[in-house]
Formats: sequence, C-alpha cells, structure tokens
Amino acid sequence: KNEVEQSPQNLTAQEGEFITINCSYSVGISALHWLQQHPGGGIVSLFMLSSGKKKHGRLIATINIQEKHSSLHITASHPRDSAVYICAVSIYNTDKLIFGTGTRLQVFP
Amino acid sequence: DAMVIQNPRYQVTQFGKPVTLSCSQTLNHNVMYWYQQKSSQAPKLLFHYYDKDFNNEADTPDNFQSRRPNTSFCFLDIRSPGLGDAAMYLCATSRGPGVRNQPQHFGDGTRLSIL
Repeated sequence: KNEVEQSPQNLTAQEGEFITINCSYSVGISALHWLQQHPGGGIVSLFMLSSGKKKHGRLIATINIQEKHSSLHITASHPRDSAVYICAVSIYNTDKLIFGTGTRLQVFP
Repeated sequence: DAMVIQNPRYQVTQFGKPVTLSCSQTLNHNVMYWYQQKSSQAPKLLFHYYDKDFNNEADTPDNFQSRRPNTSFCFLDIRSPGLGDAAMYLCATSRGPGVRNQPQHFGDGTRLSIL
C-alpha cells in the first residue's frame, strides 16, 4: 500500500464544474504539497499546507491532520486546468517528499 | 525570474552510450534533487545534495551518478543507459538545510529516450 493515496486516478469534467481531488497519507508529515504537472512539462507547486485551508484564485486546498486527509478543490473549472495533480508529503524531520501517483484531470469546453 | 533550468528538454541516446543531463538554478538554494519519473508514475527520488554533501537513495542503481560542481549547477550522469532508463528526469531545489517546510521548485524536466 502506498504511503500517499490519491483519488480519483482520472477525472473528467465539463467547463464550469466544481472539482475535488482527495489525498490520504499514512505517515507522519511536516507538510503536504499539491503540485500541478501539464503534459510533457515540469511540476509547479500550487500549495504547501501544514494545517487548515489555503486559497489561491479558483483553487482551494484543505488539510485535516487528525484524519490524515487533504482535498484540492477547483471552482469554475476551465480547460486550461487540465493537468495531472499530485499530492506529496514532506516526511517529518526530513526534506524528502513522498508523492502520490497523481490525478489526471481533463476539463472539456 | 529566478528559476530552475534543465537542459536539454529532450535527449535521445543509444543503448549503452553515456549521457549527461544538466540542471542550473538562480534561486541560490542549498538543496538540489534529481527525480526519475516514468510514464503515469509518481516521481522517484534518485539523490539529493545538501550543498556539496551527496545523499544517494538506497535503491538508486549504480549506473546513475551525480555531480554538483558549485551551488548553481547539478548534473545527472547515466553511465550505460538501458531501455528501462527512458523516463522524464526532474531537477528540483529547496532552501534547506535548517529551513523546514519549504516548497521544492522544479524544472521543466528532460525527457530521455533510449534507442
């Protein structure tokens, strides 16, 4: 069993829909990261969370430390949001990241 | 803009022919990482440097080596590439050590193909 699990693996949506991607982890962490990777491209860091909730534009990320669970929400989705979204955790007391396998999102016009 | 730059974006090499991938950063970060990412899989850490201190992951094949001649540059050398080494190679940096909970900054990656 992976230490970081994401769901769903694949997600399709119509433009304008509200999207939620979930991440669960089973290890002690100091922070959780949400990353975005476009096809054939590098990785962009969207959020880093250690508690609560963060918002940036149409993106919202939440984390529940007790339940070891985080969600990434996209409001009013747009085709340019189509990408792979990766959840990663910083292992407590190290700089290493453990990655989930990603959620592939496609948003159609 | 400060950034992490990887060259080349696409690299083709022959089976068994040594290849070097490069990464440079203008962020003045202490830590540099090399990841291997195969199709539809999560990135896998190969090694990282804290300044000049090299840290190898236990399961990184001996075929993979790395050099960091100065703060700005880091190289990934694959001595004898096999077909299974075809992947996207990602370089990343972070401020550490002693600066916890900092995001890693990634380059655009080098996609390596083996003929």
